[in-house]
Amino acid sequence: DAGVIQSPRHEVTEMGQEVTLRCKPISGHNSLFWYRQTMMRGLELLIYFNNNVPIDDSGMPEDRFSAKMPNASFSTLKIQPSEPRDSAVYFCASSNLAEAFFGQGTRLTVV
Amino acid sequence: QKEVEQNSGPLSVPEGAIASLNCTYSDRVSQSFFWYRQYSGKSPELIMSIYSNGDKEDGRFTAQLNKASQYVSLLIRDSQPSDSATYLCAVSGGYQKVTFGTGTKLQVIP
Repeated sequence: DAGVIQSPRHEVTEMGQEVTLRCKPISGHNSLFWYRQTMMRGLELLIYFNNNVPIDDSGMPEDRFSAKMPNASFSTLKIQPSEPRDSAVYFCASSNLAEAFFGQGTRLTVV
Repeated sequence: QKEVEQNSGPLSVPEGAIASLNCTYSDRVSQSFFWYRQYSGKSPELIMSIYSNGDKEDGRFTAQLNKASQYVSLLIRDSQPSDSATYLCAVSGGYQKVTFGTGTKLQVIP
């Protein structure tokens, strides 16, 4: 398996624009996680899905953030409108029984 | 209280010494515990998992779990400069939710 695949790897956008981050989990994994990492706050869990159903979205910072998982092999994290404070590295991870495996991350810069 | 707490460091140890990294967690129903290593600019990489009280050894790494004290540790023997990284403690509970600490930065001095 190719592991968790995220796209794009880097994204630079202007404030106010919509940003969509994409994730393909490892085949057969039933849990998917979206994390955000910054120097100040470390690795924060934004939302996670189990069997394509959102279980806990309490980490989503604002209504500007939304996430979907239409099927077992794809998820998106959308920010609309984006703000400079959203600049961070966004990681997607998937797991089956316990251990979470990470994608390479998307480095988002909002100018 | 944060769900998973770690000392941010940096923790500096000389090459060849033992590095000891510690983590505490707040949710008593947590079932699975992990240590991840993250090099600068890279994604976290799983290095150890532990599920029951006691020690688990894998090469130079030993994970220790004490559920009564809600405490997890990672020992790195014969530390090498290549071990210099940030080490993240993670805890999994209901619905496989995985929560991370903020990480401890380890520096191994040649």
